[in-house]
Amino acid sequence: QSLLTQPPSVSGPPGQRITISCSGSVSNIGNNYVYWYQQLPGMAPKVLIYRNYERPSGVPDRFSGSKSGTSASLAISGVQSEDEADYHCASWDDRLSGPVFGGGTKLTVL
Amino acid sequence: QLVASGGGVVHPGKSLRLSCAASESTFQSYPMHWVRQAPGKGLEWLALISSDGAQRSFADSVKGRLTISRDNSNNTLFLQLDGLTVEDTAIYYCARGSVIRKRFTAWFDPWGQGTLVTVSS
Repeated sequence: QSLLTQPPSVSGPPGQRITISCSGSVSNIGNNYVYWYQQLPGMAPKVLIYRNYERPSGVPDRFSGSKSGTSASLAISGVQSEDEADYHCASWDDRLSGPVFGGGTKLTVL
Repeated sequence: QLVASGGGVVHPGKSLRLSCAASESTFQSYPMHWVRQAPGKGLEWLALISSDGAQRSFADSVKGRLTISRDNSNNTLFLQLDGLTVEDTAIYYCARGSVIRKRFTAWFDPWGQGTLVTVSS
């Protein structure tokens, strides 16, 4: 059972705005940064969003992150077929003294 | 770039030792992590080691069974996992971490390509 809760799957047609939620607690999201990772099929994850809403260079600006209290969200404005992937949220957990991941969300572009 | 190696088929009860070679000399400046992913499952953080090797932290699921170490002179990270069970079957990734204001974070970048470990009799 993951300490961070994500929906198992989301879907939508090309061009739609998609959001993926990540719910945690005070010991993780509430007191620490949130990171989002994109994992394309058969590939290693790569960082998509860091420190709640920052985008590494090369990540399209249709990806955005936000955080409020003990929850965070990843939004994709104008989803594209190449965005089909698994998305994982992560945060440091002060109680466990280690990072924790959400269970991952599979995005299907219809 | 990180290149993980050492995976394969291992019998239950045995040990595995994985390596992760870094191509950059900056390896010694960063903390390093091991993360695994069981077939069809999410990511599971296993362990981290500080840049100088002085600090280590482990997930409860592997505490007491996992040893993490590093050789900064050869830019290599190691993992040893003892007492393997079928539940340890997974792709094992190494990843570089980060420190912000003397605190470790959940930043992982880059990731190695992963090495598959299958525990089977």
